[in-house]
Amino acid sequence: RKEVEQDPGPFNVPEGATVAFNCTYSNSASQSFFWYRQDCRKEPKLLMSVYSSGNEDGRFTAQLNRASQYISLLIRDSKLSDSATYLCVVTGNTGGFKTIFGAGTRLFVKA
Amino acid sequence: DAGVTQSPTHLIKTRGQQVTLRCSPKSGHDTVSWYQQALGQGPQFIFQYYEEEERQRGNFPDRFSGHQFPNYSSELNVNALWLGDSALYLCASSIHGTSGRMGTDTQYFGPGTRLTVL
Repeated sequence: RKEVEQDPGPFNVPEGATVAFNCTYSNSASQSFFWYRQDCRKEPKLLMSVYSSGNEDGRFTAQLNRASQYISLLIRDSKLSDSATYLCVVTGNTGGFKTIFGAGTRLFVKA
Repeated sequence: DAGVTQSPTHLIKTRGQQVTLRCSPKSGHDTVSWYQQALGQGPQFIFQYYEEEERQRGNFPDRFSGHQFPNYSSELNVNALWLGDSALYLCASSIHGTSGRMGTDTQYFGPGTRLTVL
């Protein structure tokens, strides 16, 4: 089992749709969680941190469920410019734990 | 405010050669991490440098080594290149201790160096 698993994708949605990305992690000692966005042939850019209390930034909402070891990202009212790969990131420092990226989920938003 | 910078942007090498990649962290950042991203995959953690020492290391062989300088910039060296080393190499910088836990601080990425090994 991979340490961080994401929906394989790709997701193809029309403009204005709501889309949800899911991510699970295997190490219960994980401490910090993030969503990054990566455009084609570009570097990953921080989208938002993820907290147990939930985190909302405009059209984007991230949630963390520690009991289920599950992270989610919800995008409302999708825009063409949201087309990108979304990467789930899990970090920790217990027992030599490192920063682990998921493989990413590709999103295509179409007009 | 300059972000993370990396050089060179592209590099072509042949098997068996050695390569050095360079990274300057974002202004005010003191920690540098290196990642390897193969096509269609998420970035894989190579190692992290803080206070000029390697603090954490991923599952990469000793052919991968690094260095951090007093000005916080960093180098990634790869010896005895082989075809499988072809990838985008990303550098990320962060401020040590902002999350209260080593290795979990928010990281900001540079544009990467695309290495092709022939």
